[in-house]
Amino acid sequence: NAGVTQTPKFQVLKTGQSMTLQCAQDMNHEYMSWYRQDPGMGLRLIHYSVGAGITDQGEVPNGYNVSRSTTEDFPLRLLSAAPSQTSVYFCASSYGHSYNEQFFGPGTRLTVL
Amino acid sequence: GQQVMQIPQYQHVQEGEDFTTYCNSSTTLSNIQWYKQRPGGHPVFLIQLVKSGEVKKQKRLTFQFGEAKKNSSLHITATQTTDVGTYFCAGLEGGSEKLVFGKGTKLTVNP
Repeated sequence: NAGVTQTPKFQVLKTGQSMTLQCAQDMNHEYMSWYRQDPGMGLRLIHYSVGAGITDQGEVPNGYNVSRSTTEDFPLRLLSAAPSQTSVYFCASSYGHSYNEQFFGPGTRLTVL
Repeated sequence: GQQVMQIPQYQHVQEGEDFTTYCNSSTTLSNIQWYKQRPGGHPVFLIQLVKSGEVKKQKRLTFQFGEAKKNSSLHITATQTTDVGTYFCAGLEGGSEKLVFGKGTKLTVNP
């Protein structure tokens, strides 16, 4: 099993550009989520999904969109990148619900100039 | 909204000393999880606590969940250089799917 994979590993964007961060898992996990990690701020939940076709907002959803068309994939879209979105983004998944062990991907380091 | 506070933010110890990090929630939790993140890595699950007053041990690590289910702690006995990293707690309110992380405690160990 590859576990949770994220692409790209690194990305540099200009202000106003859009892009999609990819996340995939091969463990047939129902629950998937996106976090951003900034220095001194811990991990903050952006969006989450409890299954295909179902998504909901986390603590810091503004500026980000998600969709969950399949169990395996949970892409995160930045509609119009801003410097405040410079961060490390982690995707995570778990069996069933969020109260189970979360498996994290390796992260995407995003810089917005 | 739910807030999870973690102290201290940083802890530097000599190898062999003990280490404790504390986690406090503004609301009662149904579940608390602990994760470790090595420098440059991603968070890795350590343990989950669900019962009031629960205590779990993993070798030199002891995890506790408070009686009121609003606080938790992680204690490491006789730290080693391999314990270096940031330790996060993450709490879940009953009926919620939003796992909220504390800001973490960064542990450095001087050999």
